[in-house]
Amino acid sequence: KAGVTQTPRYLIKTRGQQVTLSCSPISGHRSVSWYQQTPGQGLQFLFEYFSETQRNKGNFPGRFSGRQFSNSRSEMNVSTLELGDSALYLCASSLDRDRGKQYFGPGTRLTVT
Amino acid sequence: AQTVTQSQPEMSVQEAETVTLSCTYDTSESDYYLFWYKQPPSRQMILVIRQEAYKQQNATENRFSVNFQKAAKSFSLKISDSQLGDAAMYFCAYRSDQGGSEKLVFGKGMKLTVNP
Repeated sequence: KAGVTQTPRYLIKTRGQQVTLSCSPISGHRSVSWYQQTPGQGLQFLFEYFSETQRNKGNFPGRFSGRQFSNSRSEMNVSTLELGDSALYLCASSLDRDRGKQYFGPGTRLTVT
Repeated sequence: AQTVTQSQPEMSVQEAETVTLSCTYDTSESDYYLFWYKQPPSRQMILVIRQEAYKQQNATENRFSVNFQKAAKSFSLKISDSQLGDAAMYFCAYRSDQGGSEKLVFGKGMKLTVNP
């Protein structure tokens, strides 16, 4: 089975712009979670989608949003980018109720200038 | 809210030796899962080992084993016969078994260096 894929792998944006990141989960996985990884804050949970519905949301401003499609692929969007949004964004997928076992993608490195 | 603490930001170990990574957590829940994830320099996060809180027996996966002390809220990872490929960031993580979410709460991570 192919692993979790994320596109693009690297992205450079300017403050004030918006960005969309994509995540394709492992075939058969219906749960997709997003995390932001920074040197200062570590790994922080953004949100989780299951069967096209947001099941949980972390403590991030409304500029961060996401969605999931019927094929379980997920996108996250960040509007009005700030310098502090520079981070590695990780996507993880899992079978529902697989006792927490998640499979991570390679991440998208976002740099905001 | 649950928290996970990894107090040692860095450790080093000689190849073939044993090293123990420590993790403590705070929760008021009785049912949950604990994990150790490894993130090599290539950045892909990999699950190392999982422990269900309701199981008293400590989980083992080949050279990796945990010491789970539920009352003390402690969850350490022991790596035996360390190999160069074990060099990575190691994250301890918590997942609640309530609410149906897959959300993981991570510790800050610990950088492990393996010396030849």
